[in-house]
Amino acid sequence: KAGVTQTPRYLIKTRGQQVTLSCSPISGHRSVSWYQQTPGQGLQFLFEYFSETQRNKGNFPGRFSGRQFSNSRSEMNVSTLELGDSALYLCASSPVVLAGELFFGEGSRLTVL
Amino acid sequence: EDKVVQSPLSLVVHEGDTVTLNCSYEVTNFRSLLWYKQEKKAPTFLFMLTSSGIEKKSGRLSSILDKKELFSILNITATQTGDSAIYLCAVGGTGANNLFFGTGTRLTVIP
Repeated sequence: KAGVTQTPRYLIKTRGQQVTLSCSPISGHRSVSWYQQTPGQGLQFLFEYFSETQRNKGNFPGRFSGRQFSNSRSEMNVSTLELGDSALYLCASSPVVLAGELFFGEGSRLTVL
Repeated sequence: EDKVVQSPLSLVVHEGDTVTLNCSYEVTNFRSLLWYKQEKKAPTFLFMLTSSGIEKKSGRLSSILDKKELFSILNITATQTGDSAIYLCAVGGTGANNLFFGTGTRLTVIP
């Protein structure tokens, strides 16, 4: 079974630009969560989608948004990038919606210059 | 405010040593506590604990939860260089997959 796939793996943007990250969950998994990981803050929850509906959202500004498609693939978008958005963005999938085991992808490393 | 605190922040040991990693938490509507190992990028699942006092074991790793005192420990016996990683503790509430993570403990095992 293929794992969680995230693209792109690495990207460099400049302040003010926007970025879209993609996540393909494990086949059969309908829940997709996104996390931001920085050295100082650790992993912080961004949002979770299940069956194309956002079920929960973390404490991030509205510049961070996401969506989920009917095939469970998910995208997240960050607009008007700031230097502080530089981070590893991790996607995780789960077959169910409850605080259980999450299967993480390798992440997308975003650098904002 | 929900929070998860791990200690120590980092640890350097020699192969063969035994280590204990700590995780304390304050989370509303607690459902589960999970441990993950992060070597490069993707955290990988180690344990999920939901009940107090029941030890979970996998090889040289074991973990236990104390829901009264709101903490968990992860023990690694006979450490190997392959155990070098960041160990993450996460706590989840009911009805959602939004886990609250600690900042992790960086374990380095020296040959």
